[in-house]
Amino acid sequence: EVQLVESGGGLVKPGGSLRLSCAASGFTFSSYSMNWVRQAPGKGLKWVSSISSSSSYIYYADSVKGRFTISRDNAKNSLYLQMNSLRVEDTAVYHCARENKAGDAFDMWGQGTMVTVSS
Amino acid sequence: DIQMTQSPSTLSASVGDRVTITCRASQSISSWLAWYQQKPGKAPKLLIYRASSLESGVPSRFSGSGSGTEFTLTISSLQPDDFATYYCQQFNTLYSFGQGTKLEIK
Repeated sequence: EVQLVESGGGLVKPGGSLRLSCAASGFTFSSYSMNWVRQAPGKGLKWVSSISSSSSYIYYADSVKGRFTISRDNAKNSLYLQMNSLRVEDTAVYHCARENKAGDAFDMWGQGTMVTVSS
Repeated sequence: DIQMTQSPSTLSASVGDRVTITCRASQSISSWLAWYQQKPGKAPKLLIYRASSLESGVPSRFSGSGSGTEFTLTISSLQPDDFATYYCQQFNTLYSFGQGTKLEIK
C-alpha cells in the first residue's frame, strides 16, 4: 500500500526539542522530494520545510529557520524533522507530504502527528 | 514571499449548486498552482495541479482555471461529499497556501 505514516509527536515544554519521523512505503521514496506541512488547531495549512530526493536542496519557512532541521534516509525510506527551541506557536499537526515529480503539487500526504508545546 | 488570498473564506451552498472559489497571488505565479480538499481530521487531498489539470481519480465536476495572479476552482454540481475546506497552494517560489475556504451546507 502506498502510504506515509508520521510519528514522534507529543507534549513538550517551550524551549524543548522533538524529532518527527515519516515512514514511506509503496513507492520509490528516493525518487521524490519531500515536505513537512503543519496545521495549528482550527487553522489553515502552512508549509514548513522541503528536501530534495538526494538531500541536495533544503528549504525552510522563515518561521522555523535556524530551529528546525529536515533530513532523510533513503535506505530506510524515512523523512525526519528535528525541532529545537520549540515555541507555543509551533503547536500543530505536522504532515509529511510527497511532491510529485513535476514539482507542481503535493500528491500524497500522511495523516499527521500532533505536536503540543505548552508549559 | 508570495501571499495567497482565497475568497470567500466561507461559502454556503446546496447540493446541486455550481460553486466557484477564487485564489489570488500577490505576484505572478504563471500556472504554478494546486488545489486541495480537506475534511476534518483528515489529510489534504490533491484535486488540481498546474492550475487546471485534474488529478487522477478526482471527479470531473471539479475544474480549475486561471494563470498569472488569479485562479478559480469550480465545482459544477455539488455533491454531499464535497462539503469540506479547500486550499490553494503556489509552487512558483517555494510554497505557500491560501487561508482556506470552508464550503458549508446551506
